[in-house]
Amino acid sequence: NAGVTQTPKFQVLKTGQSMTLQCAQDMNHEYMSWYRQDPGMGLRLIHYSVGAGITDQGEVPNGYNVSRSTTEDFPLRLLSAAPSQTSVYFCASSYVPGESYGYTFGSGTRLTVV
Amino acid sequence: AQSVAQPEDQVNVAEGNPLTVKCTYSVSGNPYLFWYVQYPNRGLQFLLKYITGDNLVKGSYGFEAEFNKSQTSFHLKKPSALVSDSALYFCAVRIRGDDKIIFGKGTRLHILP
Repeated sequence: NAGVTQTPKFQVLKTGQSMTLQCAQDMNHEYMSWYRQDPGMGLRLIHYSVGAGITDQGEVPNGYNVSRSTTEDFPLRLLSAAPSQTSVYFCASSYVPGESYGYTFGSGTRLTVV
Repeated sequence: AQSVAQPEDQVNVAEGNPLTVKCTYSVSGNPYLFWYVQYPNRGLQFLLKYITGDNLVKGSYGFEAEFNKSQTSFHLKKPSALVSDSALYFCAVRIRGDDKIIFGKGTRLHILP
């Protein structure tokens, strides 16, 4: 099925561990982004990419790294997990910037850092 | 900096009554405006968007939104609420020429049977 696929759906990490959240889309979307969703905070933009090889920071980038080696994949790396990174993470994609389309969202990854 | 405000954390409406979920925005240029809905344990789903032209935009599931440039608002509306409309609703803004979409904090809509 066409869309945005996120893995894993659930993850528990210990403080200090590292991990990568995976995001893949098969719609040939150039634009991809990562958000975190926290109660009372809405969705906050972590990082985004306008195409392969190009990434930029959003509102809350600290503690996260991204890379975009292909159009399809946009992994999010937690370098040293902290309890403050407990959240639900959403990946989203759309057509090239400047287009008037909204996003297609993945189903999310629920991360708990203990 | 661009921002989006949803002034109500929660809105309660009786089934069959009209509903309004409020959104105001602050941007330095011309915006694209969006509404998304999130059902429990799901990702966000696109409802509707304003690009240009007619200030009243119609979207999925009978929802519509009215763009008001002078009041910098983009309120979501539906003439007759259904219990199945109960969900979390997000307003979002994207500046033309910018690459980021910024979301509001969300409004939880409860439709009472």
